[in-house]
Amino acid sequence: GAVVSQHPSWVICKSGTSVKIECRSLDFQATTMFWYRQFPKQSLMLMATSNEGSKATYEQGVEKDKFLINHASLTLSTLTVTSAHPEDSSFYICSAGGSGEGVYGYTFGSGTRLTVV
Amino acid sequence: QKEVEQDPGPLSVPEGAIVSLNCTYSNSAFQYFMWYRQYSRKGPELLMYTYSSGNKEDGRFTAQVDKSSKYISLFIRDSQPSDSATYLCAMSRSGAGSYQLTFGKGTKLSVIP
Repeated sequence: GAVVSQHPSWVICKSGTSVKIECRSLDFQATTMFWYRQFPKQSLMLMATSNEGSKATYEQGVEKDKFLINHASLTLSTLTVTSAHPEDSSFYICSAGGSGEGVYGYTFGSGTRLTVV
Repeated sequence: QKEVEQDPGPLSVPEGAIVSLNCTYSNSAFQYFMWYRQYSRKGPELLMYTYSSGNKEDGRFTAQVDKSSKYISLFIRDSQPSDSATYLCAMSRSGAGSYQLTFGKGTKLSVIP
């Protein structure tokens, strides 16, 4: 079945530094990648949508200069949290969408827990 | 009114019980409906994927979609402690993977041994 690998699974960084999170589709080509943020006991909040080879589309209220998304290939997308602050601490999850219909369109990574100290 | 409404619970049931989880939605353009299970500190895992109205069964899980009422359900038979998790409903206008999903808030389920 469709597998999406996300790492690191958790990371602790100092305030002011940058953190990169990777999301890979292992057995299918992901033309679209979605990045979500999830706060404790809350649902997933879509941050941005990226299509391979083009700029990401950010949801309202999400700072594109702070959350840099790169989708350079059909199997890899990265989210970089720049100049991280404690309020950026959260659970970040990616999902990969294939070019066709079916369950391959909605497979999620295992998430990255970011703690900024 | 939010596009997708889901009772966050928590819902606590004894082992072996039948569990009913529900979502309502307001956007009639939604055609594809999904249920995800999310364990603590993990990404959501796709459980059921259905198109339009009707029922779909997979083992102990049954998904129902009633588009006329804009209401979807997930039933879990013979619930097990390992079913304890948060269940998220999600829906989309298209089955193509390039379309974003709209999620419910999730219902936290605890199955007590």
